[in-house]
Amino acid sequence: QVQLQESGPGLVKPSETLSLTCAVSGYSISSGYYWGWIRQPPGKGLEWIGSIYHSGSTYYNPSLKSRVTISVDTSKNQFSLKLSSVTAADTAVYYCARELLLWFGGQPSNWFDPWGQGTLVTVSS
Amino acid sequence: SSELTQDPAVSVALGQTVRITCQGDSLRSYYASWYQQKPGQAPVLVIYGKNNRPSGIPDRFSGSSSGNTASLTITGAQAEDEADYYCNSRDSSGNHRDVVFGGGTKLTVL
Repeated sequence: QVQLQESGPGLVKPSETLSLTCAVSGYSISSGYYWGWIRQPPGKGLEWIGSIYHSGSTYYNPSLKSRVTISVDTSKNQFSLKLSSVTAADTAVYYCARELLLWFGGQPSNWFDPWGQGTLVTVSS
Repeated sequence: SSELTQDPAVSVALGQTVRITCQGDSLRSYYASWYQQKPGQAPVLVIYGKNNRPSGIPDRFSGSSSGNTASLTITGAQAEDEADYYCNSRDSSGNHRDVVFGGGTKLTVL
């Protein structure tokens, strides 16, 4: 059974860099799939931050691209998120999740499963 | 970039059928996936692909697609189905690498 667990500081000061790690158990990241970060500001919807393919290729939300770095550490079977120059608008619950992409009769579908439990990061001085 | 549009709120009487929709150009190219999120919990996948349910998801949940619209149908809604529902797909307007989520639909079971 694949499980994901986020970890990192729950409080980050404005203008600093938010750093989170997602530890994966039950599956080797280097074996395949995409691995993503999604966030949810309090009371709002889900926002995709970015994903990393098992090969190391990264894909970022265009609206966050200038501030985001996602990396993978296959030796520890984990992947990480760095978001620089944070403001109060970056306060959110941050989730990591595995993303699958498959074709069904000529049409693709992507989905996130499983998800980590999420970790609340508050940006405040 | 592409967007996915959902109705903010929908209600259904206990035991009745409800359809939650998601519209967007990307859905002409991708089957949507659907997630259920209850307060204080992480989203849970309920539908993926053409109409596939993960293990443990009741068969009252089903998915369908037509043109630029994907639908999640709950047949015989239960009290425990009250939650926020989100759709998701890849963005077909660019490199097909970007991911988009709908704004979410709050389902109330009356």
